[in-house]
Amino acid sequence: QVTLKESGPGILQPSQTLSLTCTFSGFSLSTYGMGVGWIRQPSGKGLEWLANIWWDDDKYYNPSLKNRLTISKDTSNNQAFLKITNVDTADTATYYCARIAGYGGLFAYWGQGTLVTVSS
Amino acid sequence: DVVLTQTPSTLSATIGQSVSISCRSSQSLLDSAGNTYLYWYLQRPGQSPQLLIYLVSNLGSGVPNRFSGSGSGTDFTLKISGVEAEDLGVYYCMQATHAPPLTFGSGTKLEIK
Repeated sequence: QVTLKESGPGILQPSQTLSLTCTFSGFSLSTYGMGVGWIRQPSGKGLEWLANIWWDDDKYYNPSLKNRLTISKDTSNNQAFLKITNVDTADTATYYCARIAGYGGLFAYWGQGTLVTVSS
Repeated sequence: DVVLTQTPSTLSATIGQSVSISCRSSQSLLDSAGNTYLYWYLQRPGQSPQLLIYLVSNLGSGVPNRFSGSGSGTDFTLKISGVEAEDLGVYYCMQATHAPPLTFGSGTKLEIK
């Protein structure tokens, strides 16, 4: 059974760094073709893709935020991470992580999401 | 970036009615290897999105066969043949052909009359 769960700070102040953790089970990020992606959704709005990391440590970022994003993984502990630097109120959103199992399984499983609020 | 335009933005249907949602891309989603990376997701109220269709027309695991996807190039369609109450929510198309970035459509909200 594949599960993913996001965790984050809940609330942080502008200019701080947002650190998110995706803890998953039911698959391994050391397996060929596997990956984890991060997607966010402001309240009442649409989905925005942020970044993907693959089993071979290949990483892809949304160019609109690339300079602020860092994705990484801890294969031994079944976790993936996303850092966003210099946050502002526009980064307030629910952040999801989702499993990638090749291009036939792109975001086939999602976590429940974690709400992050940026406020002074 | 590839822009995906979904129409309509809102759809109202009765139970049992068949409906279609269009997703048009600003450029062809066919890559040089002959693959088309177009996906459909459903986000039910208060829930995370779920994968319905992958690679244009393949049904996701556990997805009822009343859902179907079709299309090619720049024009794609999600069809629900016989809407059920549990189908309400927001439908998103997403492309991964011209990535990064992966891009999503703006969504189509399905309401049940």
